[in-house]
Amino acid sequence: QVTLKESGPALVKPTQTLTLTCTFSGFSVGTRAMRVNWIRQPPGKALEWLARIDWDDDKFYSTSLKTRLTISTDTSKNQVVLTMTNMDPVDTATYYCVLVLGGGRYFDHWGQGILVTVSS
Amino acid sequence: QSALIQPASVSGSPGQSITISCAGTSSDVGGYDYVSWYQQHPGEAPKLLIYDVSKWPSGVSTRFSGSRSGNTASLTISGLQAEDEADYYCSSYTRSATWVFGGGTKLTVL
Repeated sequence: QVTLKESGPALVKPTQTLTLTCTFSGFSVGTRAMRVNWIRQPPGKALEWLARIDWDDDKFYSTSLKTRLTISTDTSKNQVVLTMTNMDPVDTATYYCVLVLGGGRYFDHWGQGILVTVSS
Repeated sequence: QSALIQPASVSGSPGQSITISCAGTSSDVGGYDYVSWYQQHPGEAPKLLIYDVSKWPSGVSTRFSGSRSGNTASLTISGLQAEDEADYYCSSYTRSATWVFGGGTKLTVL
């Protein structure tokens, strides 16, 4: 059974850099046709797709946030890491790690999410 | 990439059918067979309901069905049940190899 768990700080200050980690079990990062995405949801608002990394290390970013985002894998730890620079209170949201297997274009394995609050 | 357009809210009585629309463009909804729908109950992560416009993941009720006409996709829920009360989101793969979500629709079961 595939499980994903997000970890990182619950609170960051404005202008700081956020680093979030997604740790997998029941699945190996780097498996062919794997895609790992980060999606966020501000409180009471809609989902927003942020970034994706594929098994072959191809990376894709939201057009509006691409200058602030970096996604990477750590195969030795079976993790995917997302960094977001220059955090602002509008970035307060629940951040989800989402796995896509088999080359699909849909989100079928979601982590529980981590709420990150940006406040001084 | 602009968000897909969904109605903010819909409602229906138990046993009825409702339809939620999701309007996009030829660069997303109308251009690819990669529209998906998600159900989200309060405090929970979204759950995949429909993928590739009209396909069901294993374990999802066939009361949920998806379709598309031009640049607009639709989710129909038949035989409404109290537990269907939730937020629903559409999503589409895009020409930029990214994804875009709709603004979400709150379903109220009267």
